Amino acid sequence: DIVMTQTPLSSPVTLGQPASISCRSSQSLVHSDGNTYLSWLQQRPGQPPRLLIYKISNRFSGVPDRFSGSGAGTDFTLKISRVEAEDVGVYYCMQATHLYTFGQGTKLEIK
Amino acid sequence: QLQLQESGPGLVKPSETLSLTCTVSGGSISSSSYYWGWIRQPPGKGLEWIGSIYYSGSTYYNPSLKSRVTISVDTSKNQFSLKLSSVTAADTAVYYCVDLWGMDVWGQGTTVTVSS
Repeated sequence: DIVMTQTPLSSPVTLGQPASISCRSSQSLVHSDGNTYLSWLQQRPGQPPRLLIYKISNRFSGVPDRFSGSGAGTDFTLKISRVEAEDVGVYYCMQATHLYTFGQGTKLEIK
Repeated sequence: QLQLQESGPGLVKPSETLSLTCTVSGGSISSSSYYWGWIRQPPGKGLEWIGSIYYSGSTYYNPSLKSRVTISVDTSKNQFSLKLSSVTAADTAVYYCVDLWGMDVWGQGTTVTVSS
């Protein structure tokens, strides 16, 4: 089974400042078709998760451009350039290369 | 616009079988454009993929749950379902149905509590 490890698990951030979340997989997420199926999801309190980023760096429709994804192989990063109040929630990385596995989640809160 | 809605008992007794249904609207359950799945979230914890089913009927299950899980499709009702047998308190969670192709359409989730 692929294990997804996120750091940090909690991230207090000042409004307007950047935030970064790291996600590491226990094995390469490069699929045999050449794609890397690494996504980032946001879950606001009381809501189902919402897709932000797919295939490492592709922003889903309607996602603000302050969200960006990067990485390759086993190491991936989600960055928020300037945190806004509506960004509070839990962020999950998810791999879909070998079945599906989620990271533990990173709680983003405002200082 | 594709929409998903979970339904089923909110309380299940230990050792019994949890049964949930996801009703699909705005799209056909038989379409190759979708890949149906179930994901759960225990209270205060993270997300866990339970399993998934293609339009062709092919199923894939989380290895840790495989012996207890069955996912099936009812094309006549445009629904897919989840059965989880021999439940324990550890199966208490919010259960979501999802289109796994895009990961952009989720049901609102249904809370299932395992308790006598």
